[in-house]
Amino acid sequence: QVQLVQSGAEVKKPGASVKVSCKASGYPFGNYDINWIRQAPGQGFEWIGWMNPYTGNTGYARQFQGRVALTRSTSMNTAYMELSSLTSEDTAIYYCVRPDIGYYVFAYWGQGSLVIVSS
Amino acid sequence: QLVLTQPPSASASLGASVKLTCTLSSGHSSYAIAWHQKQPEKGPRYLLMVKSDGSHTRGDGIPDRFSGSSSGAERYLTISSLLSEDEADYYCQTWDTGVRGVFGGGTKLTVL
Repeated sequence: QVQLVQSGAEVKKPGASVKVSCKASGYPFGNYDINWIRQAPGQGFEWIGWMNPYTGNTGYARQFQGRVALTRSTSMNTAYMELSSLTSEDTAIYYCVRPDIGYYVFAYWGQGSLVIVSS
Repeated sequence: QLVLTQPPSASASLGASVKLTCTLSSGHSSYAIAWHQKQPEKGPRYLLMVKSDGSHTRGDGIPDRFSGSSSGAERYLTISSLLSEDEADYYCQTWDTGVRGVFGGGTKLTVL
């Protein structure tokens, strides 16, 4: 079955960077985009960006451009999200998600990675 | 601009049915959407996809108490035979060519 397993919680200081991983299994890694989404405490979902694991092509939400990088290791079937210049407003749970076959609905979710930004 | 609008809250009684609404912005009434459930202290769960013709496809393991429908620019999620565990936040989601993840603000469902 499709599984997305993410790395553990991180605590970072303002101005630092964080890198979250997402290991995929149960399907051909290169066949589906990986998207990243976050949910801050008490807030809704915010889309960060997408990556095509086969080509490495990426696209980012406007508010994150210049501050986020989505990469992958095809040998390890793992996607990565690195967010830099962290502020307290980046405190959130970060999820990797995979769309379904044929339609870009987020049918598969990772378990989430909590990132806390605090001095 | 593609925007999804949801009412912030809804409520219904245990064992009853509830219909949640997600409204697509003007010019986007043909778009399909997905419904996701976020229970407290749990990860999000994909429930189903609803197309503009009202057809819906449930995700893996989703019970048939959850169904979808459509009317114009509105997409609906109906939950029947409500259980206490259905108390959660429900989000609709769609996509566009450039912005591949568009979410509604979510509806908090209270089961009375």
